Amino acid sequence: QKEVEQNSGPLSVPEGAIASLNCTYSDRVSQSFFWYRQYSGKSPELIMSIYSNGDKEDGRFTAQLNKASQYVSLLIRDSQPSDSATYLCAVRGGYNKLIFGAGTRLAVHP
Amino acid sequence: DADVTQTPRNRITKTGKRIMLECSQTKGHDRMYWYRQDPGLGLRLIYYSFDVKDINKGEISDGYSVSRQAQAKFSLSLESAIPNQTALYFCATSGRDSSTDTQYFGPGTRLTVL
Repeated sequence: QKEVEQNSGPLSVPEGAIASLNCTYSDRVSQSFFWYRQYSGKSPELIMSIYSNGDKEDGRFTAQLNKASQYVSLLIRDSQPSDSATYLCAVRGGYNKLIFGAGTRLAVHP
Repeated sequence: DADVTQTPRNRITKTGKRIMLECSQTKGHDRMYWYRQDPGLGLRLIYYSFDVKDINKGEISDGYSVSRQAQAKFSLSLESAIPNQTALYFCATSGRDSSTDTQYFGPGTRLTVL
């Protein structure tokens, strides 16, 4: 079992819709979770971090964490074509090492 | 100016050649990391360093070596490059405190080994 799992996609949503990206992780003691966005050929950039169960909102983005279910998600409201990218879920392991999922490719079509 | 820079940005080399990828940062971070990214596999940690005297192997260190020349510089070497080391390589940095430990990535180096 991979330590961090994501559906590779592509996830296709119409412009203006809500995009829902999901991630599960295997290490029950993990405490810190991150969503990075990566445009093709570019470096990952941090969108959200979440450390506590529940929701965390930042503009059009909402991260959701459920530690009991070992599940973290990212919702993107009012999706725009510029949101089309690969979204990487990362979980912090020991010594601040990040363990990344393979990423979910999101395509927002007009 | 970019906070984390990588050189070169693109490199094509032949099997058996020695290659060095360089990373510099102006963020004042203590911690630096090297990752490689392959299609469908996400980012995998090669080496990481918490300060100049502390270097640790990551998930996939075989075939690679690193040097932390200064707090701001962290180099990755491929002693004898092989085709399956063709990948996108990223350097990242972070602080040591819980308020500064987010990892920030450089622009990447695309390496092709023929």
